[in-house]
Amino acid sequence: GAGVSQSPSNKVTEKGKDVELRCDPISGHTALYWYRQSLGQGLEFLIYFQGNSAPDKSGLPSDRFSAERTGGSVSTLTIQRTQQEDSAVYLCASSRSPGDYGYTFGSGTRLTVV
Amino acid sequence: TQLLEQSPQFLSIQEGENLTVYCNSSSVFSSLQWYRQEPGEGPVLLVTVVTGGEVKKLKRLTFQFGDARKDSSLHITAAQPGDTGLYLCAGGGGSNYKLTFGKGTLLTVNP
Repeated sequence: GAGVSQSPSNKVTEKGKDVELRCDPISGHTALYWYRQSLGQGLEFLIYFQGNSAPDKSGLPSDRFSAERTGGSVSTLTIQRTQQEDSAVYLCASSRSPGDYGYTFGSGTRLTVV
Repeated sequence: TQLLEQSPQFLSIQEGENLTVYCNSSSVFSSLQWYRQEPGEGPVLLVTVVTGGEVKKLKRLTFQFGDARKDSSLHITAAQPGDTGLYLCAGGGGSNYKLTFGKGTLLTVNP
């Protein structure tokens, strides 16, 4: 597609429920990144994909967080047993290749855990 | 851990004024990027600088990378209400794929 598409744009969920966030990167972009943006905090790195592989998962906050990418394209970030501290904007970005200067970000998914 | 400190955190000015925002670190970065983010949207890349001392201009915006590649500044001349937004700097390390972001400067330009 022309840009990075994320869905849903907003998600309200009850504490303890699982959620799935979707990212559709720019066609042909091999590198995909997930970041989290909380109020008063900068963008926090979560995970990076090169193709379908995730060489760096170091930013995932806990084992409740997981992500996968299929077909070198769409990625899904899953949060199990959501907690209130998971409330944030989850941003996905892609780039042509790792080290390609400049990410293209999606508009994000605003997750609210009540 | 590489950290980027941005200042000021908030800036409110009148249309037509000039301003400078700063991005500082004790670490050396191989590249530094500036993004602007508007409410409800993701950050949009403005510029990438990679050489110490490099200066890039984008219309009324001037970006500079410090000689030691530890700091950067963004200068806006004759600010306009359309410049309102959150300005984020991001540093790339040796691998470059993972960016370290500052917390941002929230700029409001009043008509």
